Amino acid sequence: NAGVMQNPRHLVRRRGQEARLRCSPMKGHSHVYWYRQLPEEGLKFMVYLQKENIIDESGMPKERFSAEFPKEGPSILRIQQVVRGDSAAYFCASSPDGENQETQYFGPGTRLLVL
Amino acid sequence: AQSVTQLGSHVSVSEGALVLLRCNYSSSVPPYLFWYVQYPNQGLQLLLKYTTGATLVKGINGFEAEFKKSETSFHLTKPSAHMSDAAEYFCAVSPRADYGNNRLAFGKGNQVVVIP
Repeated sequence: NAGVMQNPRHLVRRRGQEARLRCSPMKGHSHVYWYRQLPEEGLKFMVYLQKENIIDESGMPKERFSAEFPKEGPSILRIQQVVRGDSAAYFCASSPDGENQETQYFGPGTRLLVL
Repeated sequence: AQSVTQLGSHVSVSEGALVLLRCNYSSSVPPYLFWYVQYPNQGLQLLLKYTTGATLVKGINGFEAEFKKSETSFHLTKPSAHMSDAAEYFCAVSPRADYGNNRLAFGKGNQVVVIP
């Protein structure tokens, strides 16, 4: 059973461009979480999604950030008009339904650098 | 809101010595508790978790942690440090959510350095 996949692993964007980060959860997992790791700030929750639904986006910045988890395909975290402060590591995690739903398995992350 | 406190951002330990990383949480209801390890430029790997039952939990790589409700703590230990234990360690909590939202709140992490 493959783990959580994220791509790209590294992404470089210039200010004002768009960044699209993809996350494929583990097989059979329908819960996806996104976290951001900023230098000196640690890991912060951004958004929680189930298939086709955003359940909790209380950690998302109000502007420029959006997330989706379509019926088919990976979850996408989209950042429009990136700024230097968006430079960070973005991690996706997935968890199963039922037993062990509380346990999240993390992907390797996407490291975004905004020039 | 839940929060996690990890003191001492950098922890140095001699090879073969005890590893002790402290974690205290703040929550109105005892949450689920986790320790994760992160190696450079990698994702987080689950070391161990406490959900219910026995308060002393054993994890991978020889680590264990004990949940103490009265102290709101979940300290991580390993009797004998190995060079391969050099990494960053995160304590995390999530609510006991019947509706499925188990969002994690993390401590700031401990960077462990193992001295030969």
